Amino acid sequence: RKEVEQDPGPFNVPEGATVAFNCTYSNSASQSFFWYRQDCRKEPKLLMSVYSSGNEDGRFTAQLNRASQYISLLIRDSKLSDSATYLCVVNVRTYKYIFGTGTRLKVLA
Amino acid sequence: NAGVMQNPRHLVRRRGQEARLRCSPMKGHSHVYWYRQLPEEGLKFMVYLQKENIIDESGMPKERFSAEFPKEGPSILRIQQVVRGDSAAYFCASSPRDRDSYEQYFGPGTRLTVT
Repeated sequence: RKEVEQDPGPFNVPEGATVAFNCTYSNSASQSFFWYRQDCRKEPKLLMSVYSSGNEDGRFTAQLNRASQYISLLIRDSKLSDSATYLCVVNVRTYKYIFGTGTRLKVLA
Repeated sequence: NAGVMQNPRHLVRRRGQEARLRCSPMKGHSHVYWYRQLPEEGLKFMVYLQKENIIDESGMPKERFSAEFPKEGPSILRIQQVVRGDSAAYFCASSPRDRDSYEQYFGPGTRLTVT
């Protein structure tokens, strides 16, 4: 089993739609969690950290479920500019970050 | 505050040559990570360094690859005698010191092409 697993997609959604991605992780001792966004041939950019209580930033909401060992990202009112690959990142111990292979999102006009 | 800087952005080498990739972390960051990304694949951890110390190089091939982060100057990832399979995007990330886990901030990457 991979340490961090994501559905590769692609998720093709119309503008204005709500879309959600999940990411599962295998190490129950994982300490912290992040969502990054990566545009084609560019560097990953931090989208948000994921806290136990969940967190929201505008149209983006992240949740953590430690019991089931997954994190989720919800995007409301999708924009064309949200089209990208979304990377789930798990910090399994000090300085050790494991990246998922990403979920591709394409928002259609 | 300048972000993470990497150079060169694109590097073309013939098989057997050496490639040197440089990374300057964000100001105030003393932790540097190198990752490799093959086309259509995820980022793979290579090495983690602090100033003058290699902390974890478990993701780096044992031969031909080396990394350093000197007291002064950028971190260097060096690939000797490159082969076609080394063609990839190499990203450097930095994070602040003195905490167990921090967000990482990535540089723009170096795209290495081996011909």
